[in-house]
Amino acid sequence: DAGITQSPRYKITETGRQVTLMCHQTWSHSYMFWYRQDLGHGLRLIYYSAAADITDKGEVPDGYVVSRSKTENFPLTLESATRSQTSVYFCASSESERGELFFGEGSRLTVL
Amino acid sequence: GQNIDQPTEMTATEGAIVQINCTYQTSGFNGLFWYQQHAGEAPTFLSYNVLDGLEEKGRFSSFLSRSKGYSYLLLKELQMKDSASYLCAGLDSNYQLIWGAGTKLIIKP
Repeated sequence: DAGITQSPRYKITETGRQVTLMCHQTWSHSYMFWYRQDLGHGLRLIYYSAAADITDKGEVPDGYVVSRSKTENFPLTLESATRSQTSVYFCASSESERGELFFGEGSRLTVL
Repeated sequence: GQNIDQPTEMTATEGAIVQINCTYQTSGFNGLFWYQQHAGEAPTFLSYNVLDGLEEKGRFSSFLSRSKGYSYLLLKELQMKDSASYLCAGLDSNYQLIWGAGTKLIIKP
C-alpha cells in the first residue's frame, strides 16, 4: 500500500539543466496536482490533471511541463531550471474535484 | 481577488485549547479545508466544511460561517505532537483550492 510516492526526494542541479520530478499513485485517483511550497507563501498550484491525457495550468505554470499518459503517473519537468525554481515540490492526488488531497512526501529541489 | 488570511504564528501550552482563525475571499465557494503539516513533512487532511456550523473529530473541531467568510480550527487538550503548521484552504467555484500561508503552532510544556 504505497499510496503516492515522489522521486527523487532531494535533487541539486545547475541553472539551465532539465530536471524531471516523478509522481506515482496506486489508488487510481482521477485528479493529480503539482504544488510548490516556499517560505512565506501558501502552496501554489503549478499544474493539475483531471484524468489521463488531460492537464491544465495552475497559478504558476511558467517554466514547467507536465504529462499524464497513465492515470497513475504525473511527472513534472523543469525544462531549463532557474534559481527561482528552488523549492519543495509536492505531488498530490484526489478522488474528486472537491475531495481531500493526499500528498506525496515532497521533492526538495535546489538550483545552483 | 481571492485570498485566505490566517495568523502567521501562535503559541499555546500543552493541555490547553487553541483556536486558529481563517478568513477567506473566494470566487464562489465549494468548501473549506484544514490541513496539518509537520516540519519537513507533507500536509495531511484534517477537515472539510461546506455547511455552516461545527464539525467535531476527536480533539480537533472545525467551524464555518459562510456569511462571514470565516472558519476556525479548534484544538483541545494540546499535545506536544500538535506542534505543526495548520493550512487553511478555500475551494472556489471552479474547484480550485486557494491556500493560506499557514499558521505555525508552537506548543510549550
